[in-house]
Amino acid sequence: EAGVTQSPTHLIKTRGQQATLRCSPISGHTSVYWYQQALGLGLQFLLWYDEGEERNRGNFPPRFSGRQFPNYSSELNVNALELEDSALYLCASSLVGGRFYTEAFFGQGTRLTVV
Amino acid sequence: AQTVTQSQPEMSVQEAETVTLSCTYDTSESDYYLFWYKQPPSRQMILVIRQEAYKQQNATENRFSVNFQKAAKSFSLKISDSQLGDAAMYFCAYGPSNAGGTSYGKLTFGQGTILTVHP
Repeated sequence: EAGVTQSPTHLIKTRGQQATLRCSPISGHTSVYWYQQALGLGLQFLLWYDEGEERNRGNFPPRFSGRQFPNYSSELNVNALELEDSALYLCASSLVGGRFYTEAFFGQGTRLTVV
Repeated sequence: AQTVTQSQPEMSVQEAETVTLSCTYDTSESDYYLFWYKQPPSRQMILVIRQEAYKQQNATENRFSVNFQKAAKSFSLKISDSQLGDAAMYFCAYGPSNAGGTSYGKLTFGQGTILTVHP
């Protein structure tokens, strides 16, 4: 069974541009979570999508947005990129919305570099 | 707001020895979950062990066990018989159990501890 897959693996953008990151959950999982892992800051919760709707949001500006498609895959968009947006972006999925604790699995992340 | 603190940025251990990683947290909730995740150089986060706050018994998973002290808000991870494959960044994380709370669905992570295993 395929795990959580994220694309692209690496992404280099210029300050001010937009970045789009993609995540495919494990088959059957309806919830997708996004985390930012910046150097020295641990993992910070970004967004939680379940059944196509945004269920919770972390303390990030509105230029961080996303969506979940009918097939439960998800997209994270970061507009007006800033240098401090450079980080590893991790996606996780779980079988039941919010029941992260027993059934969540992480992807390998997208390394975003803003120059 | 919940916070998680890992006070050991780096730890090292000899192969086959035992090492303990520390974690403290702060919350006003009485029911919650605590986790240890491992992140090897491949970057993928792997769940090592999970503890439910209402359970007094400490969780164990093979060579991994925790010392959960609820009153002290402490949650340490003990790795016995350390192996070279245990080398990774270890994260402690807190998760609320209240389905209606604003924090539901989100994990709060500590800063991580880099574990080096020497042969």
